[in-house]
Amino acid sequence: GQQVMQIPQYQHVQEGEDFTTYCNSSTTLSNIQWYKQRPGGHPVFLIQLVKSGEVKKQKRLTFQFGEAKKNSSLHITATQTTDVGTYFCAGPESRLTFGEGTQLTVNP
Amino acid sequence: NAGVTQTPKFQVLKTGQSMTLQCAQDMNHNSMYWYRQDPGMGLRLIYYSASEGTTDKGEVPNGYNVSRLNKREFSLRLESAAPSQTSVYFCASSGDWLTYEQYFGPGTRLTVT
Repeated sequence: GQQVMQIPQYQHVQEGEDFTTYCNSSTTLSNIQWYKQRPGGHPVFLIQLVKSGEVKKQKRLTFQFGEAKKNSSLHITATQTTDVGTYFCAGPESRLTFGEGTQLTVNP
Repeated sequence: NAGVTQTPKFQVLKTGQSMTLQCAQDMNHNSMYWYRQDPGMGLRLIYYSASEGTTDKGEVPNGYNVSRLNKREFSLRLESAAPSQTSVYFCASSGDWLTYEQYFGPGTRLTVT
């Protein structure tokens, strides 16, 4: 079955540093979604990527979908304490599969 | 517009007890989902309902049953709770199956002793 893997599992950064999390699928994805979950909260949808090689930006967040549509990345420029949380990618093939997430902590 | 609501927020059960987790959405979404989240793990799909009147198993359906009561409501039932079912349960909804973003409820934190 489909597997969606994320790395790293944890990332600790100093405020102002950049952060990147990577998502890899064992199969080609029709689209990929990214979610953020604050500590003690629920996942919140960030963005959906559909096209091969697609790049989308939301302020300091840059999302990319690989050319082969089997991988994706989320890059945060100049992290802030408000970026703390766990970031999940999710692939929708056959059944919805979430990656295990990357837990980001930001030291002020 | 409340979005997705879940009840209860917290629950403690003894092994063997049963309970139903309730979920409702007011966004007129077709699809609804139940996930569980364990520490250090992602979200695992238990059951989903692609549209009113249909339900299907997800990745971890054993020990659970669901009912899509109407377009708004999707309940999850534990018939005989086990300690392995201690988890945080999230309900979600989306406009359509696999196409639209999912909106999550606040979660139910369940402990089975």
